[in-house]
Amino acid sequence: RKEVEQDPGPFNVPEGATVAFNCTYSNSASQSFFWYRQDCRKEPKLLMSVYSSGNEDGRFTAQLNRASQYISLLIRDSKLSDSATYLCVVSPNTGFQKLVFGTGTRLLVSP
Amino acid sequence: GAGVSQSPSNKVTEKGKDVELRCDPISGHTALYWYRQRLGQGLEFLIYFQGNSAPDKSGLPSDRFSAERTGESVSTLTIQRTQQEDSAVYLCASSLDGLSYEQYFGPGTRLTVT
Repeated sequence: RKEVEQDPGPFNVPEGATVAFNCTYSNSASQSFFWYRQDCRKEPKLLMSVYSSGNEDGRFTAQLNRASQYISLLIRDSKLSDSATYLCVVSPNTGFQKLVFGTGTRLLVSP
Repeated sequence: GAGVSQSPSNKVTEKGKDVELRCDPISGHTALYWYRQRLGQGLEFLIYFQGNSAPDKSGLPSDRFSAERTGESVSTLTIQRTQQEDSAVYLCASSLDGLSYEQYFGPGTRLTVT
C-alpha cells in the first residue's frame, strides 16, 4: 500500500465549478500535511499547509481528518489557471521534513 | 531573488555511463534535498543534507547513487553505470533549515537512459 494515496483523475470541470480532492495516508504518526501544485513539466510548488482546524486561502480550503487519516482540498469558482496536478504531501515525525508525496490528482478546468 | 537552479536541464545518456547532476540551492538555505520523479509517479526522496551534519542517504535506491555537497552550497548527484530504470526527473529542493516546512524546488533535470 502506498504511503499517500490519491485519485489520479483527471477531474474535468467547467470554469466556476467547485471541485474537491481527497487523499489518504497510511502513517498514523504523520505530523505535517501539505498540498503542492505541479504544472505540466514544472517543479512542485507549495499551495498550502493543512491543519487539523482546517484552513482557507482565498478560493482554496484544506481539511485534515486525523482519525480517518485523510486530507481534502476544495477549490471554489475554478479558474482555467487552476489546471494542474495537485500533490498531497505528508511528513512523518522525524527530525527534518522528509516529505512523502502522493502521485497527484490532475485537474483540467475548461471554458 | 534567485531560486534553486539545476543543470543540465536535460541529459540523455547511454546505459552503463556515469552522469552527474548539479544543484545550486537558494543562498542561505542550509538544507538541501534530492528527489526523483518517474513518469506517472510521485516524488521519491533520495538524500538530505543539513549544514555540516552527515547526510541522510536512506532514500538512495542503490549504491550506484551518491551525492555530495560542498559546505552549504552546490550539490552534485552522481549515478554510476546508469540503467534504463534510472530515467526520471531529478529534482533538488532547498529550505532555510531542516525544520522549515517550505522546500523550494528547482526545475529539475530530465534524465533519459537509452
